[in-house]
Order: sequence, then C-alpha cells, then structure tokens
Amino acid sequence: GNSVTQMEGPVTLSEEAFLTINCTYTATGYPSLFWYVQYPGEGLQLLLKATKADDKGSNKGFEATYRKETTSFHLEKGSVQVSDSAVYFCVVYGNNRLAFGKGNQVVVIP
Amino acid sequence: GAGVSQTPSNKVTEKGKYVELRCDPISGHTALYWYRQSLGQGPEFLIYFQGTGAADDSGLPNDRFFAVRPEGSVSTLKIQRTERGDSAVYLCASSLTPSAGRETQYFGPGTRLLVL
Repeated sequence: GNSVTQMEGPVTLSEEAFLTINCTYTATGYPSLFWYVQYPGEGLQLLLKATKADDKGSNKGFEATYRKETTSFHLEKGSVQVSDSAVYFCVVYGNNRLAFGKGNQVVVIP
Repeated sequence: GAGVSQTPSNKVTEKGKYVELRCDPISGHTALYWYRQSLGQGPEFLIYFQGTGAADDSGLPNDRFFAVRPEGSVSTLKIQRTERGDSAVYLCASSLTPSAGRETQYFGPGTRLLVL
C-alpha cells in the first residue's frame, strides 16, 4: 500500500528561521498528497494539499510542491513564528485511506 | 458549522471489558473513516464507510473490532474483550464524498482509550 517517510526527529528552531520538513512517498499512480498539522491540545487539521504532479499547495505561509520525479512533498516556510509550534504529518491518499508519516514535532523558540 | 464530534473524549476501562466509541460526522458528509493513533506515531487506518456500508474494513486489527453506521450518519466503533495494546487515541474523520482523496477529510478531537 501507499506509505510516507518523514525525516527523523523533532525540529527546534528560532523565530523567523526557515523551516523545511522532508517527506517522500511510495504510491502507485498519482495520489493526492497532504500536510496535516496538530497544534498542542487540538485535533488534526489540514494545512495544505496537492492533487497532481507539479501542483504547489500553500497555506499560512507554508508551501509544498508535488514532485513526481523524486516522489517528494517537502514542507517549507520562510519565517516561522512561535505559533507554528506543532506536530506536522505528511500524508498520502490511496486505497480508500490516508496513510500518515510518523510526524515531526516542530518547536519554535522566541 | 459544527465539526466532527466524538464521545467520550476519554475512556478508561479494564482489560477484557467492552467499549463503544461514538463519532458524529459533519452533516451531509457521506464518507466516514476511523483511524487509530498510538503515542508518537501517525494515525493508522481502521475502516471506511460510504453511506451505511463499510466499504473497506481491511485496517481493523482483528475480529474484536467492529464498527457500524446504521443510518449513514453517526458511527460507533465497538471493541470487545479489550487488551492493553488497544490503548490509543481513536480518531474519526468525515468527507463530503470519497472522490479519490481530493476531498478534505475533517478530523474529530479523538477519544483517548486507556485499557488498564
């Protein structure tokens, strides 16, 4: 089935730093790709999505581009804020389900 | 409008007991999903409903787990003879239609199940 690999470990960075979280996927065909975010004490919510190759999803200053040739969907933000502290999940859809990566905890220090 | 709601928010039970977890999806959403999230992991798929029928239950770990959606709206996940390994957060999600994954799945806050 479809699967996702996210870079290992939490990410700690200072306010206004550049954030990148790497994500690669394994899937047949052209699945839809997502980033979901879980803020402290809150439920999972969609951050952005891309439904076909070369699409760029964007929201709240975050961006990710669907790269079919490298099977990647890396998340980036140019200048993070303390309020971006959360757990970020890379997700691929296929076979009637979302398949989540393990998630990366991002901690932004003032 | 109201989002996906789940009850109870927390459930503590003893090994061997039976539990029911409820999900109330967004009104009008025909697709409903159950996922399970263990500590430090991403959610894992359990079962998917399209309308009243379980279209895909291949993620259920064993026959102790069962889910229903009798009127195509509210769903109940049922776990018999609970085991300590069933402890996790159980998440429900709904979408307007399945639509090959292009429709956003909206998640509820989850039920945190602890089996002692």
